[in-house]
Amino acid sequence: GENVEQHPSTLSVQEGDSAVIKCTYSDSASNYFPWYKQELGKGPQLIIDIRSNVGEKKDQRIAVTLNKTAKHFSLHITETQPEDSAVYFCAASRSSGSARQLTFGSGTQLTVLP
Amino acid sequence: GAGVSQTPSNKVTEKGKYVELRCDPISGHTALYWYRQSLGQGPEFLIYFQGTGAADDSGLPNDRFFAVRPEGSVSTLKIQRTERGDSAVYLCASSLMGLGTYNEQFFGPGTRLTVL
Repeated sequence: GENVEQHPSTLSVQEGDSAVIKCTYSDSASNYFPWYKQELGKGPQLIIDIRSNVGEKKDQRIAVTLNKTAKHFSLHITETQPEDSAVYFCAASRSSGSARQLTFGSGTQLTVLP
Repeated sequence: GAGVSQTPSNKVTEKGKYVELRCDPISGHTALYWYRQSLGQGPEFLIYFQGTGAADDSGLPNDRFFAVRPEGSVSTLKIQRTERGDSAVYLCASSLMGLGTYNEQFFGPGTRLTVL
């Protein structure tokens, strides 16, 4: 089955700086890679995703990159704000067949210091 | 419309008891997923429904866990003879299926289960 590894487990940055979280996956058949933000006591919220037919996607201060050859994808947050503080999870899945579940990384606790 | 809703938000039970957790998916979403999240970990897959049928239940840890979705909308996760190790947040997610769609899954707030 799929295995997703995520680093770092904790990340502290100063407000206004950039934050980068990295993930690797093992299943070459995975073709969909979402990122979720989870605040304390809440369910994961989808913030951005990328599909295997593109290498980069950007949405305002958030960008994701995907390297299919290396099986590596990353989340970049620029101009961080205190409200960005949360746990971020990467995930991978297929979009066909029966194995459509998301396999999550172990999470990154991001703290943005004012 | 409304997002995914889950009830109850918290459930405290005693070891050996039976519990039911409910999920209301986003209207029109044909796929429904259950995940379990232990403290400090990412969600782990339990079971996936496409319509009324369980398309993949490979994540259910043992036969004490069972889930149904009789009308293709609301789903119930059932846990028999609960154990302290079952304590976790149980998350439900739903997504659209079909040509041209990927697997955007939208999560509910979860049910926090505590087994004493």
